[in-house]
Amino acid sequence: GQQLNQSPQSMFIQEGEDVSMNCTSSSIFNTWLWYKQDPGEGPVLLIALYKAGELTSNGRLTAQFGITRKDSFLNISASIPSDVGIYFCAGPVGTYKYIFGTGTRLKVLA
Amino acid sequence: SAVISQKPSRDICQRGTSLTIQCQVDSQVTMMFWYRQQPGQSLTLIATANQGSEATYESGFVIDKFPISRPNLTFSTLTVSNMSPEDSSIYLCSVSDGEKLFFGSGTQLSVL
Repeated sequence: GQQLNQSPQSMFIQEGEDVSMNCTSSSIFNTWLWYKQDPGEGPVLLIALYKAGELTSNGRLTAQFGITRKDSFLNISASIPSDVGIYFCAGPVGTYKYIFGTGTRLKVLA
Repeated sequence: SAVISQKPSRDICQRGTSLTIQCQVDSQVTMMFWYRQQPGQSLTLIATANQGSEATYESGFVIDKFPISRPNLTFSTLTVSNMSPEDSSIYLCSVSDGEKLFFGSGTQLSVL
């Protein structure tokens, strides 16, 4: 079945560094959603993308909808300790139904 | 976006027992969903909670194990029945506005 693979699986970075992660699919999507999950909490929506090539920012976060429609990218600039968490991508697989990526675990070293 | 409240936030249960998780939304929503997140894993859709009719379950999930109620457009419950340690997971309620998916804070379930 469909699955979304995220890379890297986990990463340690220094505070202040920029972070890049991606999400790839075996099939085409017309929407990409990016979430962050803190420990013990539900995922929080960060950015939604609806069009191939679209570039959308939310504060220090920038996400892009890949032109092939099979991938998406999330960048975090000047990381801070509160960026720690798990980042998930998600894409629709039917009416209102979404599948989620494998997740990227981010740890920031102060 | 809608405010989604889940209760309980966490519980520790004995095997063989059942736990009912409640999800309350602060506005009427058509689509409500239940997800499971096993330890260290991604999110997996359990079922779509349909108002006024039976829930629609995904492959690998059955009504006898995960009965769902949806009595109105703002409330749903998920029961985890006859629990075993393999049911230890985070259970998440979510709603859709047609374009995006929003989540409650989740229920952390540990089964001993």
